[in-house]
Amino acid sequence: TQLLEQSPQFLSIQEGENLTVYCNSSSVFSSLQWYRQEPGEGPVLLVTVVTGGEVKKLKRLTFQFGDARKDSSLHITAAQPGDTGLYLCAGAQGDYKLSFGAGTTVTVRA
Amino acid sequence: GAVVSQHPSRVICKSGTSVKIECRSLDFQATTMFWYRQFPKQSLMLMATSNEGSKATYEQGVEKDKFLINHASLTLSTLTVTSAHPEDSSFYICSANAPGQGQETQYFGPGTRLLVL
Repeated sequence: TQLLEQSPQFLSIQEGENLTVYCNSSSVFSSLQWYRQEPGEGPVLLVTVVTGGEVKKLKRLTFQFGDARKDSSLHITAAQPGDTGLYLCAGAQGDYKLSFGAGTTVTVRA
Repeated sequence: GAVVSQHPSRVICKSGTSVKIECRSLDFQATTMFWYRQFPKQSLMLMATSNEGSKATYEQGVEKDKFLINHASLTLSTLTVTSAHPEDSSFYICSANAPGQGQETQYFGPGTRLLVL
């Protein structure tokens, strides 16, 4: 059983559309990270959120950490083909180990 | 900053042989490194936590005698898959905590694809 549940598992959209990926848990996390991974490569860190209710923006990406620090979301505005990849959320519970969600495969069609 | 490298990127070996994978932090010192494995279409599963100068801490179900970890310096950790078998074929990824970035933020290497024939 995964500590973090990601949804949806797969997402295919047209270029220019918006998308949201969710990461939910019944556990509280001291921090939560979002990564993007391309085939055959390691995950690349996108953001770390640590404060309940925190919202961080990176260009067209908006990350939100739930008030209770149990959930998070990633929203992409006007998606581009370059946004295609596997998006992973990972939570830490104070012992520096990360628990990963199962991932969301995003495909943006040109 | 916070670049992690792995070597080799790909390795093919015969069943029964041992394979060593290196993980290096290139521009920072990492007191803690982590080793993960990832099967196709699946997420990352933590295998062990590697601390410089001490024994690694293995996750439940991971055989420490099969997956030998050595963290001899602040910039290098190695994972040796001993007596590899086809079921050990996987994508092995290491990560490291970068100082000043928050202890819970990990930077990942590019991964090593292992194929055991």
